[in-house]
Amino acid sequence: AQKVTQAQTEISVVEKEDVTLDCVYETRDTTYYLFWYKQPPSGELVFLIRRNSFDEQNEISGRYSWNFQKSTSSFNFTITASQVVDSAVYFCALSDTNAGKSTFGDGTTLTVKP
Amino acid sequence: DAGVIQSPRHEVTEMGQEVTLRCKPISGHNSLFWYRQTMMRGLELLIYFNNNVPIDDSGMPEDRFSAKMPNASFSTLKIQPSEPRDSAVYFCASSLDRYTGELFFGEGSRLTVL
Repeated sequence: AQKVTQAQTEISVVEKEDVTLDCVYETRDTTYYLFWYKQPPSGELVFLIRRNSFDEQNEISGRYSWNFQKSTSSFNFTITASQVVDSAVYFCALSDTNAGKSTFGDGTTLTVKP
Repeated sequence: DAGVIQSPRHEVTEMGQEVTLRCKPISGHNSLFWYRQTMMRGLELLIYFNNNVPIDDSGMPEDRFSAKMPNASFSTLKIQPSEPRDSAVYFCASSLDRYTGELFFGEGSRLTVL
C-alpha cells in the first residue's frame, strides 16, 4: 500500500523567509511518481510539479525548489523568499504503477505574514 | 483549452434530497477522478474511471453514492438520499494517464446538506 506523510500540519513564516515543506512517502513499487499541488484560499487545487522515481535530480523553478531523495523516501519542497501569495495548503501525492491512482498527504497549511 | 468544469459550484439542500454533481473533464484526458474534501478527513478519493470504465470505487462511502461516466466528456456523482455528513467540497479531476499524469482539478462543488 502507498502512503504519504506530511508531518507539518501548519507552518507560519514572515515574508521573505525561506520555508521547507516535508513529504515522506511509502511504496513497494520501484516505479512511482511524486507530485506537489497547491490549494490557495480560493479553493482550487493546482499542480506544481511531478517527479518520477528514476529521476533524483533536484528541480528549481523560480523561488520553488524540490529535493527528491530515494534513500530517505522524501520529496521536500522549499520556497525561497516567501511571499504572502504563497499562503496556501500544499499537498504532496504519490502514484505508483500498481495502484494506478494518486494518494495524497494530509496537506501542510502555509501562512506567510507580511 | 478549457479546464475541468464542474457544476454546480454551490449546492444547498435538505437532508433526504437527491444531489447530482456534474463534471466535464479536459478533452483528451482518459482518466477521471472524484475526490471529496473535508476538514476532518482531508482529500479522499471516492472513485475513478479510465476510458469511461469505473476502475476503483472502494472510496465510495456508502450505497447512497453512485457515479457514472456515460461518455468521455461527462461524469456525474449522485448522492441519494443526502445526509448532513455528506457536506463537503467535491472535486473532479482528470488526467492524461492515471499512472504517470498529474491531476487537473475542477473548481469544486461545495455541498451543504441541512
